[in-house]
Amino acid sequence: GNSVTQMEGPVTLSEEAFLTINCTYTATGYPSLFWYVQYPGEGLQLLLKATKADDKGSNKGFEATYRKETTSFHLEKGSVQVSDSAVYFCVMNYGGSQGNLIFGKGTKLSVKP
Amino acid sequence: EAGVTQFPSHSVIEKGQTVTLRCDPISGHDNLYWYRRVMGKEIKFLLHFVKESKQDESGMPNNRFLAERTGGTYSTLKVQPAELEDSGVYFCASSQGRSQGRSYNSPLHFGNGTRLTVT
Repeated sequence: GNSVTQMEGPVTLSEEAFLTINCTYTATGYPSLFWYVQYPGEGLQLLLKATKADDKGSNKGFEATYRKETTSFHLEKGSVQVSDSAVYFCVMNYGGSQGNLIFGKGTKLSVKP
Repeated sequence: EAGVTQFPSHSVIEKGQTVTLRCDPISGHDNLYWYRRVMGKEIKFLLHFVKESKQDESGMPNNRFLAERTGGTYSTLKVQPAELEDSGVYFCASSQGRSQGRSYNSPLHFGNGTRLTVT
């Protein structure tokens, strides 16, 4: 069935370190892929998205490329900041209702000064 | 603009009791979604309203859960009777609809969630 698998956390990094959070998906068709972020005490926010193969989503220094050949959508940032501390969710929409999303379990990131 | 708001932020009830969660979407958003995350599991889709109509309720776990959106504004999610496995965080999200001149893929705006604990 359709599913999303992302790197288990928590992840702890020092400020300015390089971040990668791995995400792979299983889908019968060609889903849209998203990364959502939840900052402490806030609701989920869309961080970036990609709707077709080879698309690159980017926002706030974060990037993720939709790789159909490896069914992956890894999240990267070259230099993290303390303010990036949050829970990151890899999410897939495989069709049907726009909001019928499949979430990964989430990866908690803590960035230390 | 005000964001998606959910009430209450926390609720602790005993098994067998009834709880009603409320979601106020962003004003004018036709689409409203409910999700939940039970302990240690992924966030799961529950259902989708377009205005007052249920567009997709494929994620509703069983008939103890009843969602309504009378008048197409705020929505309620009632759990009756609550069971221990219903404990978790319930999220609501809204987005603009097709009739509002936006694409179908307008972004979802999430509320902060309601943490439900059934003891």
